[in-house]
Amino acid sequence: ETGVTQSPTHLIKTRGQQVTLRCSSQSGHNTVSWYQQALGQGPQFIFQYYREEENGRGNFPPRFSGLQFPNYSSELNVNALELDDSALYLCASRPRLAGLEETQYFGPGTRLLVL
Amino acid sequence: LAKTTQPISMDSYEGQEVNITCSHNNIATNDYITWYQQFPSQGPRFIIQGYKTKVTNEVASLFIPADRKSSTLSLPRVSLSDTAVYYCLVGDKNAGNMLTFGGGTRLMVKP
Repeated sequence: ETGVTQSPTHLIKTRGQQVTLRCSSQSGHNTVSWYQQALGQGPQFIFQYYREEENGRGNFPPRFSGLQFPNYSSELNVNALELDDSALYLCASRPRLAGLEETQYFGPGTRLLVL
Repeated sequence: LAKTTQPISMDSYEGQEVNITCSHNNIATNDYITWYQQFPSQGPRFIIQGYKTKVTNEVASLFIPADRKSSTLSLPRVSLSDTAVYYCLVGDKNAGNMLTFGGGTRLMVKP
């Protein structure tokens, strides 16, 4: 157990809909990152939040957006869902904004299926 | 970010030592090397991290040669529960905190 929780565990949506995924980071961790993992591939970095602001983003379109709250929990929002958005969405938290030497702790993920 | 290359898959038997090598020819001075383990439908789990020479913890050892262009994760006496995907990551701490995962190595441990 990493102390990082995500909800829901599974979700089914249809193309064009919007979805919100939630993450509660480990206590004391103020940096949260989101990843998308398609079946059979490694996780791909979406973006990262530190102190409620986005401070890093991967190669994902603007319809992928996020929020971080004062208690460091976070949301990932995806608008206008596409079939290719079907994936496992992972949230990871770390103690502070730092280099790679600071270990990230991943949650169990939310499995999203877009029909 | 430096790109990594790992074998796509490996097979082993219970009780054997498994060595997974990762190539990272373009590793930069500030880059650290980190290995994660991932089981199906779970998030990746940190295994070990190093900068140079050898690092050992209760789970694995990480060997990094002097030129740092490759690294080897060593798992002693694997069991069936070590069947998973293993990812090698190389990160420049001055370029932010995003992790770049490659395809990983699928390790299958057989009885």
